[in-house]
Amino acid sequence: DAKTTQPPSMDCAEGRAANLPCNHSTISGNEYVYWYRQIHSQGPQYIIHGLKNNETNEMASLIITEDRKSSTLILPHATLRDTAVYYCIVRQTGTASKLTFGTGTRLQVTL
Amino acid sequence: EAQVTQNPRYLITVTGKKLTVTCSQNMNHEYMSWYRQDPGLGLRQIYYSMNVEVTDKGDVPEGYKVSRKEKRNFPLILESPSPNQTSLYFCASKFDRVNEQFFGPGTRLTVL
Repeated sequence: DAKTTQPPSMDCAEGRAANLPCNHSTISGNEYVYWYRQIHSQGPQYIIHGLKNNETNEMASLIITEDRKSSTLILPHATLRDTAVYYCIVRQTGTASKLTFGTGTRLQVTL
Repeated sequence: EAQVTQNPRYLITVTGKKLTVTCSQNMNHEYMSWYRQDPGLGLRQIYYSMNVEVTDKGDVPEGYKVSRKEKRNFPLILESPSPNQTSLYFCASKFDRVNEQFFGPGTRLTVL
């Protein structure tokens, strides 16, 4: 799996958009970008994934650069409940085995 | 409600006393997995199972056993727990062909 790099922490004001970057410069053509988050020692929660097109669901949007070497997770209107550690993972789809979670970005949403 | 359940949620035990942490999912997922999470080390996979009676080692299998006799259950067994197995444990499941994993709420284990 390609390695990912994320900033260790970010702050965001409640109601504003939170933009969480991820670098994955060694990503290969058949690898997807996945985002999970973990709220204070709860089980990680799947957010979104994409291959090369931008994706949106009820939780977030995922913007992948044209060269696919980086991506941004966007929470359009962050709330206090979005405070969590966000993990960017690059993985081939359909494969079993592990998901390798790095140390992620700790997002703190403040009033 | 679709979910992964783990029991117990919290456990304090002593070195050498065998214990089992249960995991059950109601989504008919083929794939199940156990992870441990330790400060500064992220989530590390212990064992995984691709289907009934099919299990394989992850990154840190030493000191653990698993079994997959039924599709919905994937218990984690510590035959002789040691203090270095004090950790937060997560069970997860997914369909075989996708990578969206559903995680349980976690089991916090302390081995004295």
